[in-house]
Amino acid sequence: QVTLRESGPALVKPTQTLTLTCTFSGFSLSAYGMCVSWIRQPPGKALEWLALIDWDDDKYYSISLKTRLTISKDTSKNQVVLTMTNMDPVDTATYYCARLDYSLKYFENWGQGTLVTVSS
Amino acid sequence: QSALTQPASVSGSPGQSITISCTGTSSDVGGYNYVSWYQQHPGKAPKLMIYDVRHRPSGVSNRFSGSKSGNTASLTISGLQAEDEADYYCSSYTSSSTWVFGGGTKLTVL
Repeated sequence: QVTLRESGPALVKPTQTLTLTCTFSGFSLSAYGMCVSWIRQPPGKALEWLALIDWDDDKYYSISLKTRLTISKDTSKNQVVLTMTNMDPVDTATYYCARLDYSLKYFENWGQGTLVTVSS
Repeated sequence: QSALTQPASVSGSPGQSITISCTGTSSDVGGYNYVSWYQQHPGKAPKLMIYDVRHRPSGVSNRFSGSKSGNTASLTISGLQAEDEADYYCSSYTSSSTWVFGGGTKLTVL
């Protein structure tokens, strides 16, 4: 059974750096084709894809947010970490991590999400 | 990367069928058969309903079906039920090796 769980601060101040952790079970990120992605959703708004890391440690980023995002993995801990710099109130959102197989290109399993509020 | 275009809302009565469109470009929807659809109930995480344009994951009702023509994909829900009331999002892989979502469609079952 695949499970993913996001964790991180519920509140960050403007200009700070956000660090979120996705802890997963039921699959190995070292297995060929496995990937974990981050997706966010501002309150009442649409989903927005942010970043993806694959089994081979290749990384892909949203073009519009590329300069602010870093994704990394710790295979031994079954964790993927996303950092986002220079946080702004418009970055207030629920942040989800999701699993996909790169050859299949759809988000098969999702975490429950974690709400991050950016406010001074 | 611009979001895919979906109608903001659709509605239908129980038992009826509805279709939600998702329009992109030749760099995403039109260029790949990697369109997926997600259902999201309030306060819940999205759930995969359709992948690769028209395929249903195990456990998803066959009342849900998908199709694509050119740069526009569609999700059809037949035999509408009250439990289908939710937000629906399309997604596509893109030529930039990224993913893009639609703006979302709120389905109301009258």
